[in-house]
Amino acid sequence: DTGVSQNPRHKITKRGQNVTFRCDPISEHNRLYWYRQTLGQGPEFLTYFQNEAQLEKSRLLSDRFSAERPKGSFSTLEIQRTEQGDSAMYLCASSLASTHTDTQYFGPGTRLTVL
Amino acid sequence: AQSVTQLGSHVSVSEGALVLLRCNYSSSVPPYLFWYVQYPNQGLQLLLKYTTGATLVKGINGFEAEFKKSETSFHLTKPSAHMSDAAEYFCAVSLSSGAGSYQLTFGKGTKLSVIP
Repeated sequence: DTGVSQNPRHKITKRGQNVTFRCDPISEHNRLYWYRQTLGQGPEFLTYFQNEAQLEKSRLLSDRFSAERPKGSFSTLEIQRTEQGDSAMYLCASSLASTHTDTQYFGPGTRLTVL
Repeated sequence: AQSVTQLGSHVSVSEGALVLLRCNYSSSVPPYLFWYVQYPNQGLQLLLKYTTGATLVKGINGFEAEFKKSETSFHLTKPSAHMSDAAEYFCAVSLSSGAGSYQLTFGKGTKLSVIP
């Protein structure tokens, strides 16, 4: 068990560019979550996958954001036409849907800076 | 809708002193409750969780929390602070959304400083 990994750890981009982040969950974890954390705030839920199906999306997830989880393994989060307001830490978490208690394990995050 | 309030965005304690971080929640049904710790430029690490059963929950690094339904609280304590405890602490609640998601709703966090 190597934990949740995220790449890249840091991304600096210019406004208007597209960026893509990757999350590799703990193997055998079938639930995967994306959160966004801005400075001085707690993480906020963005979207949820169970296996390869995206079952829930937050109102925070504008049309410029898209997430995928092909084959129910790793996941990608893409932001198109980035804006300065997208600057944040993007966190991925995974859990195992074996019981009603969903304990989420977080990756180290990808810090996005939009210039 | 559920929400979490953490009283005090910044708490300072002396090394060896009691740590008390406060968390109150709002939920229409009994939630699952969590405390996570975040070190600078890192992700969140689970400290402890409450689901059902015993209301006093013990976690890692000597931390514990007590679920008090009547007070809708889940305060985090540690008898003796260590320098390595300096970090930001987040309280969170989780409820099933019906779509299978147990998304977490976090408080704004409390930054703990430990003074030598």
